[in-house]
Amino acid sequence: RKEVEQDPGPFNVPEGATVAFNCTYSNSASQSFFWYRQDCRKEPKLLMSVYSSGNEDGRFTAQLNRASQYISLLIRDSKLSDSATYLCVVGPILTGGGNKLTFGTGTQLKVEL
Amino acid sequence: EAQVTQNPRYLITVTGKKLTVTCSQNMNHEYMSWYRQDPGLGLRQIYYSMNVEVTDKGDVPEGYKVSRKEKRNFPLILESPSPNQTSLYFCASRKQGMGPNTEAFFGQGTRLTVV
Repeated sequence: RKEVEQDPGPFNVPEGATVAFNCTYSNSASQSFFWYRQDCRKEPKLLMSVYSSGNEDGRFTAQLNRASQYISLLIRDSKLSDSATYLCVVGPILTGGGNKLTFGTGTQLKVEL
Repeated sequence: EAQVTQNPRYLITVTGKKLTVTCSQNMNHEYMSWYRQDPGLGLRQIYYSMNVEVTDKGDVPEGYKVSRKEKRNFPLILESPSPNQTSLYFCASRKQGMGPNTEAFFGQGTRLTVV
């Protein structure tokens, strides 16, 4: 089982739609959770941290379910500019890998007119 | 401006010719790491460093070397590049520790082609 798993997509949605991504992680000792956005061939950039109580930033809402070990990202009223790959990131994994963050392979979102 | 700078952005080289990709951060972060990104495989950690003179292997270290002589710099060295090292490389830095303020900041990437 992968440490962090995401549905690769692509998710093709019309502009204005609401779309949700899920991510599962295997290590119950994980302490930090993030969603990153990556545009084609560019560097990943932090979209939002995920807090235990859930958090919202404009059209974006992130949720964490520790019991089931999954993280979700909800995008409301999607825009063409939301088209990107969304990476689920978990860490640190306090094992032989030091203090590292582990990245999912990403979910591709395409917002269409 | 807080940033991670890596150079070069694009590099085409021949098999066996040693190369170095530089990485520098201005945020005084303790933790730095190198990743490679390949289609369908996501970001895989090559090496990481938790502080000056402290480096360790990540998930895919074969064929790579690193050094951390100064806190801000973390170069990636390919002593004898091979075609299977053709990839998109990212340097990243972050604060040490856990919690929501320990996100990673990435350089702009280096697209390496080994022929």
